[in-house]
Amino acid sequence: EPEVTQTPSHQVTQMGQEVILRCVPISNHLYFYWYRQILGQKVEFLVSFYNNEISEKSEIFDDQFSVERPDGSNFTLKIRSTKLEDSAMYFCASSGGRLRGYEQYFGPGTRLTVT
Amino acid sequence: DAKTTQPPSMDCAEGRAANLPCNHSTISGNEYVYWYRQIHSQGPQYIIHGLKNNETNEMASLIITEDRKSSTLILPHATLRDTAVYYCIVSVLNSGYSTLTFGKGTMLLVSP
Repeated sequence: EPEVTQTPSHQVTQMGQEVILRCVPISNHLYFYWYRQILGQKVEFLVSFYNNEISEKSEIFDDQFSVERPDGSNFTLKIRSTKLEDSAMYFCASSGGRLRGYEQYFGPGTRLTVT
Repeated sequence: DAKTTQPPSMDCAEGRAANLPCNHSTISGNEYVYWYRQIHSQGPQYIIHGLKNNETNEMASLIITEDRKSSTLILPHATLRDTAVYYCIVSVLNSGYSTLTFGKGTMLLVSP
């Protein structure tokens, strides 16, 4: 069964450093998403991406965040200058849309620890 | 904020049906009801969704009341592996995609 994969599984970085979280969505999906979950808190929507542009973003997704689909398979989330409060699990998800289904399939997550 | 209300926790005996309720009294006509679950900090897992008709798949059944103000997720024969946080989410489809707003969900504990 196809699945969303994410790398790395755990990333430790120092405050102020840039990080790039990588995701490989399900191959025939068209819509891509990033969510995050701070330890012990709710899963929060960050951004959705379709046709090489952002469809929607939350208040959390400020200028420090960016997303990119650099090639036909990867979908990345970049945090330019990490802060302590960016420590969280980051989940990538993808969905197929009208033709292939609206349900979102999530990856296993990347645990980001900012020290 | 999430537009749904769920009990914080429920217990179920292994092999019995688990019935998880959800209130969404302010749901709009074009909003779907989605159910996801999260097993111990893994990525959320899609279970089922519906608009107004009852739905069934290999994982679960979704019963939506006629006025659409509440729904129930039914796991017909719960197993220990069904222990998870279950999220009921209402979301509109925007040109083919949906944004999921997660609440706190219901922690379902399935016991032997």
